[in-house]
Amino acid sequence: GAGVSQSPRYKVAKRGQDVALRCDPISGHVSLFWYQQALGQGPEFLTYFQNEAQLDKSGLPSDRFFAERPEGSVSTLKIQRTQQEDSAVYLCASSLEGGGWEPQHFGDGTRLSIL
Amino acid sequence: KQEVTQIPAALSVPEGENLVLNCSFTDSAIYNLQWFRQDPGKGLTSLLLIQSSQREQTSGRLNASLDKSSGRSTLYIAASQPGDSATYLCAVRPGGATNKLIFGTGTLLAVQP
Repeated sequence: GAGVSQSPRYKVAKRGQDVALRCDPISGHVSLFWYQQALGQGPEFLTYFQNEAQLDKSGLPSDRFFAERPEGSVSTLKIQRTQQEDSAVYLCASSLEGGGWEPQHFGDGTRLSIL
Repeated sequence: KQEVTQIPAALSVPEGENLVLNCSFTDSAIYNLQWFRQDPGKGLTSLLLIQSSQREQTSGRLNASLDKSSGRSTLYIAASQPGDSATYLCAVRPGGATNKLIFGTGTLLAVQP
């Protein structure tokens, strides 16, 4: 596609529910990243894929957070037993190569609100 | 631990002014630095990417410089326009195996018509 596409754009869930956020990267992009952005802050890294391999998940805040990219294209970020502090904008980014010297291109994000 | 700081946090200027946004980072061992703009409710739009071996990059009215040894980058915007109003974020890719970006908290720019 022309850009990184994320769905849903907005998600409201009750505390304790599970949620799944989807990211469609730019076609052919090898690298895919998830970031979490709290209000008034810069994005913070969550996890990184190169094709289907999850090479870095050091930013996932707890074992309630899980990400996958089974076929090396679409990725899903899942949050189990959501808590209020999970409320944030979740951004997905992709880049063409795996070397890290290419710019990262971002989607518009999913705004998650936990009630 | 790499930390990225942006000053000022907010800036308001009249249309037509030239302006400079500042970004500093604590660890000079970086691969590259990227400047983004973020409009309200939107994702990030990449503006300029400077590799660690480069000193500056230019795109239209934007010029970004990098002084890796002192841990500083600046984004210069010439002849500002109301459409430039947005939050500007800088991010560094640290050295090592990870390809993640570490972001500053951004500068909120308002250009008054």
